[in-house]
Amino acid sequence: EPEVTQTPSHQVTQMGQEVILRCVPISNHLYFYWYRQILGQKVEFLVSFYNNEISEKSEIFDDQFSVERPDGSNFTLKIRSTKLEDSAMYFCASTSDTVNTEAFFGQGTRLTVV
Amino acid sequence: AQKVTQAQTEISVVEKEDVTLDCVYETRDTTYYLFWYKQPPSGELVFLIRRNSFDEQNEISGRYSWNFQKSTSSFNFTITASQVVDSAVYFCALSEPNFGNEKLTFGTGTRLTIIP
Repeated sequence: EPEVTQTPSHQVTQMGQEVILRCVPISNHLYFYWYRQILGQKVEFLVSFYNNEISEKSEIFDDQFSVERPDGSNFTLKIRSTKLEDSAMYFCASTSDTVNTEAFFGQGTRLTVV
Repeated sequence: AQKVTQAQTEISVVEKEDVTLDCVYETRDTTYYLFWYKQPPSGELVFLIRRNSFDEQNEISGRYSWNFQKSTSSFNFTITASQVVDSAVYFCALSEPNFGNEKLTFGTGTRLTIIP
């Protein structure tokens, strides 16, 4: 069964450092998403991406964040200068453009900022 | 704006009991989709069900069943004969799809503990 793959599974970084979280969506999917889950809280939408541009972003997705599809398979989330409050689980998801489909989620990357 | 409310923060039941997780949603759209996801202790999000707003039929899948009632904007989830492996956080979610863009709005989740 096709799946969304995220790397790394866990990343520890120092405050102020840049991090890049990587995702390989399902190959024939066209919409890509990043979500964030602070420990013990709900899953929150960050950004959606289609046709090489952001289609929607939330208030959380400020100038510190950026997304990119550098090649035909990877989808990345970059945090330029991490803060302690960026510590969270980050989930990547993808959907096809058909009507009857659900978002497929990756297993998540746990980011710890120290 | 979309909103999903899961009023039950935590539920504990003894194994083999039935348990219902509540979900109430708000949306202005007539076309929308409702979801349930399971998050086990390992942290991943496991898809359970997707239901569109035009299909109010209840659904059963093994020990799981879902009750969708548009009149009360609810999409409740029942586990019959619960098992310890059902222990997890369960999230209800809503999307208002826009040409394939399925941004999900999640509820705050219900932590279910099944006591052996």
